[in-house]
Order: sequence, then C-alpha cells, then structure tokens
Amino acid sequence: DSGVTQTPKHLITATGQRVTLRCSPRSGDLSVYWYQQSLDQGLQFLIQYYNGEERAKGNILERFSAQQFPDLHSELNLSSLELGDSALYFCASSVDKGGEKLFFGSGTQLSVL
Amino acid sequence: GENVEQHPSTLSVQEGDSAVIKCTYSDSASNYFPWYKQELGKGPQLIIDIRSNVGEKKDQRIAVTLNKTAKHFSLHITETQPEDSAVYFCSVSGGSYIPTFGRGTSLIVHP
Repeated sequence: DSGVTQTPKHLITATGQRVTLRCSPRSGDLSVYWYQQSLDQGLQFLIQYYNGEERAKGNILERFSAQQFPDLHSELNLSSLELGDSALYFCASSVDKGGEKLFFGSGTQLSVL
Repeated sequence: GENVEQHPSTLSVQEGDSAVIKCTYSDSASNYFPWYKQELGKGPQLIIDIRSNVGEKKDQRIAVTLNKTAKHFSLHITETQPEDSAVYFCSVSGGSYIPTFGRGTSLIVHP
C-alpha cells in the first residue's frame, strides 16, 4: 500500500459529461502529481501542485482542471468528455517539489462511452 | 522538454536469466533517475533510484547503472523470478523537476 488513495477506482460515463477524480496524498507529502496513462502514450504528466499552489503544467487540456485543497487532497476535473479521454488517471505524491520518490495511487480507470 | 526513450518495449526471459532494460534521455541537467515497477491493476512503485553523482547502485537482485556522458541508464535484474513479471518504467527529473517517464517495458518471466 503506497498510502495514496484515489477514488473512484472505476468511472463509466458518456461523452459530453463532467467527472471529478479525487486523490489523498500520503501523510506528510506536500506535492501531488496527476498523470494520464494510455496504451499508446505511456505516462503523460498533466499537472503538479505543491502545498496548495499549482507548480507545473504539462500537456493538460483546457477541458481539464485541478486543484489542491488546504488539507492537501487534490481533485482533477474533466469536462466535455470525449472518447479519447478514456484512460487510467494516476495521482502521485512526494514529500517535496523536486520530483523525487513518487508514490502512486492505484488509479482511476475512466471509460467514456 | 525532456525526452526519454526506453527499450525494449517487451522482454521475455526464462526464470533465472538476467534482464536488462535501457533508457536514454536528452536533458543534460537531469540528475535523478528512478525505476518504477507496475503490476497489473496497481500504480507504479519505486524500486530503485540513482543520482547523477553515482555510477551504479545495487539492491539485492536489481541494479541501476548510469552513464551521464552518454545520457543513458539501465536497469539490471538478475536471477529473474515469475514475480518479477510486470511493466517497468524509467523516469528522469532534474532541470524542470517534473518526472518524465519512458513508455515502459513489459517483462515476462517464464517459469
């Protein structure tokens, strides 16, 4: 058990809908990273938060947004969903913002039908 | 941004054999090189890491070697066992501090 909790584990929804993915980092970790994993693209970095502030953005679509709350949990919001958004979404946490020693959750499998 | 190439994409070995997975990177400012193991239905898990001031690091049956000049690093697994079967990802971070991952290697260890 990595100590990182992601909910829900599975999400099935329709095109055009909006969903929220939730992540609770390991106790004491200040950084949260969101990654998208698909078969043909590997692990793609979406966004990082550190202690409540957005620190870095990757190839995150404008339809996607995220935030980190004062209790350090994070949410990834995906809107106007398309078939191509179907993927496994991982949250990872680390102690600091240096990108070292990431602990991953078990992921949320999103299926857009 | 950083570009990480990982090879091979699939590796099939017999139990007891060694397995080697290689990664190359582009950003000379990168200074942290971890390897993650992802088992079916789980998230990636850190198994070993190395920093740029070290050439090799070992932990029981796994080892990582780094050649900073050539910008490549490798994961070595000796005496492979069926439970080593998983997808392995290399990762690079440093200049931007954002971990960039290779595309993964599916390792299959046949009993």
